[in-house]
Amino acid sequence: AQSVTQPDIHITVSEGASLELRCNYSYGATPYLFWYVQSPGQGLQLLLKYFSGDTLVQGIKGFEAEFKRSQSSFNLRKPSVHWSDAAEYFCAVGATGNQFYFGTGTSLTVIP
Amino acid sequence: KAGVTQTPRYLIKTRGQQVTLSCSPISGHRSVSWYQQTPGQGLQFLFEYFSETQRNKGNFPGRFSGRQFSNSRSEMNVSTLELGDSALYLCASSLVVGQANEQFFGPGTRLTVL
Repeated sequence: AQSVTQPDIHITVSEGASLELRCNYSYGATPYLFWYVQSPGQGLQLLLKYFSGDTLVQGIKGFEAEFKRSQSSFNLRKPSVHWSDAAEYFCAVGATGNQFYFGTGTSLTVIP
Repeated sequence: KAGVTQTPRYLIKTRGQQVTLSCSPISGHRSVSWYQQTPGQGLQFLFEYFSETQRNKGNFPGRFSGRQFSNSRSEMNVSTLELGDSALYLCASSLVVGQANEQFFGPGTRLTVL
């Protein structure tokens, strides 16, 4: 069965520090993987996606993610966090049709 | 190009009532999916419509239903509301149907059931 696990419910980082958000997936076929960000009161905005090819994908706002098939992981990274990055982050795997399976999310707090 | 719009943004209902939520996809997008977001369960897939046909359905009771119109606008209906239906309902549109096309999300409708 398809599933996504985000082990960290909440992460706090200092502004300017690096960030890594973890995501592990379970999917029987080639996974289509996504990271979305949700600010309070807003919908979800796509940060980046992996379909195939280069396992390191670049996204918007300076984010990148690395697909590691052997570890069933798709971790999100950013070298230097800005205060405006504080939000909820969701990892998702795309299944049949446009049905996505989402992780439970990681809430990011950025301290000055 | 305008994004996905959802109306209303906020809704308060009482148990036993029914509610209809509306979603207008991005112009040209023909696939609309609905998700329920709650603190306890996270984001859960409700159903997907393409060309006025339900293509896929999540694991929700029959009280949850939807439809899509010829202009791709979609509505979802929840009948006999329960307290546990309080959630943020998100609509997402996609250009076509197929595995994991990029989906664009609306701001959601916040439903509170009293």
